[in-house]
Amino acid sequence: DAGVTQSPTHLIKTRGQQVTLRCSPISGHKSVSWYQQVLGQGPQFIFQYYEKEERGRGNFPDRFSARQFPNYSSELNVNALLLGDSALYLCASSLNTGVWETQYFGPGTRLLVL
Amino acid sequence: AQTVTQSQPEMSVQEAETVTLSCTYDTSESNYYLFWYKQPPSRQMILVIRQEAYKQQNATENRFSVNFQKAAKSFSLKISDSQLGDTAMYFCAFISRGAGGTSYGKLTFGQGTILTVHP
Repeated sequence: DAGVTQSPTHLIKTRGQQVTLRCSPISGHKSVSWYQQVLGQGPQFIFQYYEKEERGRGNFPDRFSARQFPNYSSELNVNALLLGDSALYLCASSLNTGVWETQYFGPGTRLLVL
Repeated sequence: AQTVTQSQPEMSVQEAETVTLSCTYDTSESNYYLFWYKQPPSRQMILVIRQEAYKQQNATENRFSVNFQKAAKSFSLKISDSQLGDTAMYFCAFISRGAGGTSYGKLTFGQGTILTVHP
């Protein structure tokens, strides 16, 4: 079975631009979470979506938004990019939203903001 | 707020030897789950092992085992018979049920420990 997939793998943007990152969960998984991993640090939780609804949000500004589609895939949008948004953006999927659910991570999208 | 601390930024070990990675966490919750994830260089993060806080028995997965000390809020990972493929960044992570019984998938990660296995 295919794992979590993310696109694109790499992206270069300039300050002020907007970016959309995409994630396809493991087949059968209904929940998608997004994390930001700055170089040399652990991932930081951004959002969780389940059944197209936002179920949790981390401490990120409103420039960050996301949505989930009927096929459970998800998009993360970041507006008005800042240099500090440069990071690896990870998507993780799980069957449901229970805290006992193991989250399976994708390979990530590496975003560089110049 | 929950926090996870990994006090060893880097560790190294010889192939076939045993190494232990440390992790401590802080929470007021009683029902939670702990994980160790492995992130090889330029490769995706994969789950190594998980521990339910309500279980007293330490989890094991082949060469990987944990020492879970709930009272001390400690969760260390032991890797036996280290292999070159174990070279990676290792993250300790925590998740708990939120206030009022709500729950969502917010994993809280530590800063990571870079493990290098030498031949």
